[in-house]
Amino acid sequence: AQSVTQLGSHVSVSEGALVLLRCNYSSSVPPYLFWYVQYPNQGLQLLLKYTTGATLVKGINGFEAEFKKSETSFHLTKPSAHMSDAAEYFCAVRPYSSASKIIFGSGTRLSIRP
Amino acid sequence: KAGVTQTPRYLIKTRGQQVTLSCSPISGHRSVSWYQQTPGQGLQFLFEYFSETQRNKGNFPGRFSGRQFSNSRSEMNVSTLELGDSALYLCASEESNPRTDTQYFGPGTRLTVL
Repeated sequence: AQSVTQLGSHVSVSEGALVLLRCNYSSSVPPYLFWYVQYPNQGLQLLLKYTTGATLVKGINGFEAEFKKSETSFHLTKPSAHMSDAAEYFCAVRPYSSASKIIFGSGTRLSIRP
Repeated sequence: KAGVTQTPRYLIKTRGQQVTLSCSPISGHRSVSWYQQTPGQGLQFLFEYFSETQRNKGNFPGRFSGRQFSNSRSEMNVSTLELGDSALYLCASEESNPRTDTQYFGPGTRLTVL
């Protein structure tokens, strides 16, 4: 079965520092990959997605992620953290064999220190 | 376009009762998926409906059921509620093709079972 692993349930960075949230997936066939963000008491908002083509994907709010097939990774980065980035971030895959079903990682809570 | 709406936003029930949650997708979207989010299990896929038919389902007991109407609105029902059913239930909609489309999430319904 396919799975998604997010390393670090909680990441804390200083405002202006680099944000790096790690995600690895297990799949023999590259799936579709997503990053979602969830603010308190809200649903999930799509940050970015990778389906095919360019492996560096740019999303909203200055975030980007790079698909690395050899490492089965899809890490999320942002050059300079902002206080408004504090939220929970979920990496997700859409398995090729069951495309309507999304499998989510356990989430990483991002805190920003002033 | 208006986003995905879910009603009610908050619900309190007691064990043994049943509950119905409603989801209105984005206009033009024909697929609706449901997810359960809990602190212990994270985000788990319940089922997906497309054109009034269940297209995919997760590993949940038969107490969890759903349906979709001709206008794509969807409801999910949980019968004989258990304490462990307390969760945030998220609904997501997309146009039709899971291989190319993106799921957009609603704000969720917070269900508390006492």
